[in-house]
Formats: sequence, structure tokens, C-alpha cells
Amino acid sequence: QVQLVQSGAEVKKPGSSVKLSCKASGGTLSSNAINWVRQAPGHGLQWMGRIIPSYGVAHYAQKFQGRITITADRSTGTAFVELNRLTSEDTAMYYCATPNLGSRHFDYWGQGTLLTVSS
Amino acid sequence: EIVMTQFPDNLSVSPGERASLSCRASQSVSSHLAWYRQKPGQPPRLLIYGASTRTTGVPARFSGSGSGTQFTLTITSLQSEDFGVYFCHQYDTWPEDTFGGGTKVEIK
Repeated sequence: QVQLVQSGAEVKKPGSSVKLSCKASGGTLSSNAINWVRQAPGHGLQWMGRIIPSYGVAHYAQKFQGRITITADRSTGTAFVELNRLTSEDTAMYYCATPNLGSRHFDYWGQGTLLTVSS
Repeated sequence: EIVMTQFPDNLSVSPGERASLSCRASQSVSSHLAWYRQKPGQPPRLLIYGASTRTTGVPARFSGSGSGTQFTLTITSLQSEDFGVYFCHQYDTWPEDTFGGGTKVEIK
């Protein structure tokens, strides 16, 4: 059974950067995509990007191009998302999610990390 | 980007009644459509994938149908634990996935 455990809540100032982590255990993780999805308070889900750790190549939603970087450390089974030039609109719960091998729907989700951007 | 539109925004249903939730894609996503339910303070939980396949542990009262641009999630005989916000998710396009805005189901 795959488990995704995310890093703790963050408070950041506008204009700064944040790096969140998602540690995976169980399954053949290096071949599964780790996706990042965020949810602003009272709003829906927004796909941000993904990485397949064994390939090391990340793909991003157009909305975040230029200020997002997703990386993975295969040795620890951990994925990271870094978001730059933060604004108050980046205040949200950030989830990592992964499918079973060979799938693209999200079978497993992390518990979420709350990011608050405030001056 | 494929835009996913869900309706209604809110649905109030009595226990034992049937609930039908709709999801429409701005262009065809074939059967690459999943449904999730999210309860307050929790991450989403996968219910249906491939438009109509229930994932392990999901009760048979949940069924998904549709293909192309029109999809429906039906909950027959709604139970009190079925409250939450339901999201559809298209994963047909590469690399960008998109979600619908959600339908909030409350128990009357």
C-alpha cells in the first residue's frame, strides 16, 4: 500500500519562495508519477505538475510555468515542489498524489500541506 | 486546456434517494475521467476511474457513466456518509490534467 507523507505547514511572505516535500513509501515508486495538486480555501482542485522519479523529467501546468520546479530524490523516495514569487493567491492546501503503476488517475493522496502567504 | 464543468454546484438529497452529478468536458476526453469525493479536512478519495470502474472498496451504489464530453456519477440510495464535495478529473491530455469545480452533496 502506497503512503504519501507531506511536510508541515508553512507561512511565507509575498515575493518569497517555498519548497514542500512528499515522501512516498510502498509500491514501485520510482516508476509512478508524483503529482502536485492545490486547493485554495473554499475552492476546487488545481493540477500543478508531475514528475516521474525514474525519468527525472517534470511537466507543469501552463499557469505555473516559470515559477514552479518539481524534483525528486529517488534515494529517499521524496518529491518536492518549489514555488517562487509567492502572492496571497498561493495560499492553499497543497497535495501530492500518485496513481497505481500504469494509471493516471490518483489512487493515493498525501495528507496535504497548508501554505499561507501573508505579509 | 480542457475545461471541466460540473453541475449542479450544490445538491441536497434525502437519505435513500438517488443523486446524479454531471461533469462536462470542453472537448473529448474519451473515458479518461475519474471521480473523487472530498470530506472537510481530508484529501480527496478516488471513487471511479475510466469513467465507470469503481475502485477497491467503493460501494456498488456508486456508478459512473459517459464518454467523450458528458459524464455522470450516480449514487443510488444515498447514505448519510456520502456527503462531501465530488470532483471530476480528466487525464486524457498530456501533460496537463484538469479538474471540475466540484458538486457539494449535502444530506437533507
